[in-house]
Amino acid sequence: GESVGLHLPTLSVQEGDNSIINCAYSNSASDYFIWYKQESGKGPQFIIDIRSNMDKRQGQRVTVLLNKTVKHLSLQIAATQPGDSAVYFCAETRGGSNYKLTFGKGTLLTVNP
Amino acid sequence: DAGVIQSPRHEVTEMGQEVTLRCKPISGHNSLFWYRQTMMRGLELLIYFNNNVPIDDSGMPEDRFSAKMPNASFSTLKIQPSEPRDSAVYFCASSLRQGNEKLFFGSGTQLSVL
Repeated sequence: GESVGLHLPTLSVQEGDNSIINCAYSNSASDYFIWYKQESGKGPQFIIDIRSNMDKRQGQRVTVLLNKTVKHLSLQIAATQPGDSAVYFCAETRGGSNYKLTFGKGTLLTVNP
Repeated sequence: DAGVIQSPRHEVTEMGQEVTLRCKPISGHNSLFWYRQTMMRGLELLIYFNNNVPIDDSGMPEDRFSAKMPNASFSTLKIQPSEPRDSAVYFCASSLRQGNEKLFFGSGTQLSVL
């Protein structure tokens, strides 16, 4: 069925390294994607988004890449810091129902000092 | 702005009891969402309001769940009677307008039904 999923449930990196979190989606009709960060005890927090007419978008220390050919999304975090430790979710909306976000299961990122 | 405010932060109740979760969206936001988060199922959309009107409640698990939005600044999610399988974190989120996918989430209510 249609779904949004993550390849890696956990990721452990050293402080200062770059992190890459991956996400796969199955519906080619998906046209908008968002990455959220959820820290322990808090709600998800918007990080960055990308529309299907783009391949790449950059923010502050974060970059989202979209490969529509293989239906793959990634979040790159540069110079990962301890404060980046959290669960990261990708979310997608499908054409015609852009209020209804479907979230992936999440990846736990742990940054080691 | 204080963000989306939810109460209570934690709720422990016994099976069969009524539970009411509360949410105050960000002022000026016209869309409000209730999500449920569990380890097994992740984040699931329960119901969505736009301009205080329920638009899509297809995610509400069953008749034991109900949600209201009497005005633009307040919404409730009620479970009656509660069951242990309802134990989860319930999030409220708001967005500026319908079709604006950038959601702002509250801190959630951790519900435990014993």
